[in-house]
Amino acid sequence: NAGVTQTPKFQVLKTGQSMTLQCAQDMNHEYMSWYRQDPGMGLRLIHYSVGAGITDQGEVPNGYNVSRSTTEDFPLRLLSAAPSQTSVYFCASSYSFRAREQYFGPGTRLTVT
Amino acid sequence: KNEVEQSPQNLTAQEGEFITINCSYSVGISALHWLQQHPGGGIVSLFMLSSGKKKHGRLIATINIQEKHSSLHITASHPRDSAVYICAVGETSGSRLTFGEGTQLTVNP
Repeated sequence: NAGVTQTPKFQVLKTGQSMTLQCAQDMNHEYMSWYRQDPGMGLRLIHYSVGAGITDQGEVPNGYNVSRSTTEDFPLRLLSAAPSQTSVYFCASSYSFRAREQYFGPGTRLTVT
Repeated sequence: KNEVEQSPQNLTAQEGEFITINCSYSVGISALHWLQQHPGGGIVSLFMLSSGKKKHGRLIATINIQEKHSSLHITASHPRDSAVYICAVGETSGSRLTFGEGTQLTVNP
């Protein structure tokens, strides 16, 4: 199993550009989520999904969009990048949310200039 | 006030020392997770527990549900244990994990 994969590993965007961060898992996990990690702050939940076709907002959803058309993929879209979105983004998955081990992707380091 | 508080924020130890990292939370939880983030950035799940104690090699995690407190212990610490250790809780209601800010551990040879 490849586990949780994320692409790209690094990305530089200009303010106003849009892009999609890719996340995929091959473990047939129902629960997938996106987090951002900023210095001095814990991981913060952006969006999550409890299954294909079902998504919900997390703690910091503004400026981001998600969809879950398949169990395997959970892309995160930045609609119009802003410098405040400079961060490291992690995708995670688990078999289900409750009392299940979380598997994290390697992260995407995004810089918005 | 954060729902999940970790202490200390930074910890420096000498190789071989016994290390304790603490996590306190303020909400009802279904499970508590301990994660490790290496300097390269990858995050790995160490433990998930909802009661009692778990042990894996030199790592031990305990939780006291009544006191809303968990500890992560590392016995015979080694420089390769240097990493950020993160506590996260899954709330009883809802489908989210809430994370502490992490504890930066440095173990010197």
